[in-house]
Amino acid sequence: DVKVTQSSRYLVKRTGEKVFLECVQDMDHENMFWYRQDPGLGLRLIYFSYDVKMKEKGDIPEGYSVSREKKERFSLILESASTNQTSMYLCASFSGGTDTQYFGPGTRLTVL
Amino acid sequence: RKEVEQDPGPFNVPEGATVAFNCTYSNSASQSFFWYRQDCRKEPKLLMSVYSSGNEDGRFTAQLNRASQYISLLIRDSKLSDSATYLCVVNSRGGNEKLTFGTGTRLTIIP
Repeated sequence: DVKVTQSSRYLVKRTGEKVFLECVQDMDHENMFWYRQDPGLGLRLIYFSYDVKMKEKGDIPEGYSVSREKKERFSLILESASTNQTSMYLCASFSGGTDTQYFGPGTRLTVL
Repeated sequence: RKEVEQDPGPFNVPEGATVAFNCTYSNSASQSFFWYRQDCRKEPKLLMSVYSSGNEDGRFTAQLNRASQYISLLIRDSKLSDSATYLCVVNSRGGNEKLTFGTGTRLTIIP
């Protein structure tokens, strides 16, 4: 079974803090994704990566950056957290063989 | 116009009934279509892919209508465990790896 893990299920940070969200997948997938999910807005793509050290902006990259130093790990960074970044953050990896995105359990981030 | 649109519901359906959801997409060049299921406070999981010829998986049937740009999901003999949010998902950007998600349709099966 594909496993995607995220470093925290719940996180509370203060405005202006630097926040790291980590995601690890164990299936050697090349493509990994970060989304945020908000009520009424659905899942929106923040960034994705199709290979180590490669990244592309999604629909809402402002205020975020990413890092992919190893194939299995994809990190989302909030350089200076703001209250409008309070959200559920979901990481996913993609299997070309099954044409499926597999999601991690999500990190519910609250920025105070 | 949103790329992928769904009726948010909620749909409250008695156990054993049949329920159907539709979803419309705006990009006629979209290539791949899926239904994902998301339980409360859980991550989305693939329910089924949607093929041009339509496909069935047990009690679930998915259909694609390219001319009208909509996909549908039919659930027969609904079970309590079918209660979830159903996400319509479209590959509208080229390349199977980048997906656009609808906001979801919430379904509650009532005993």
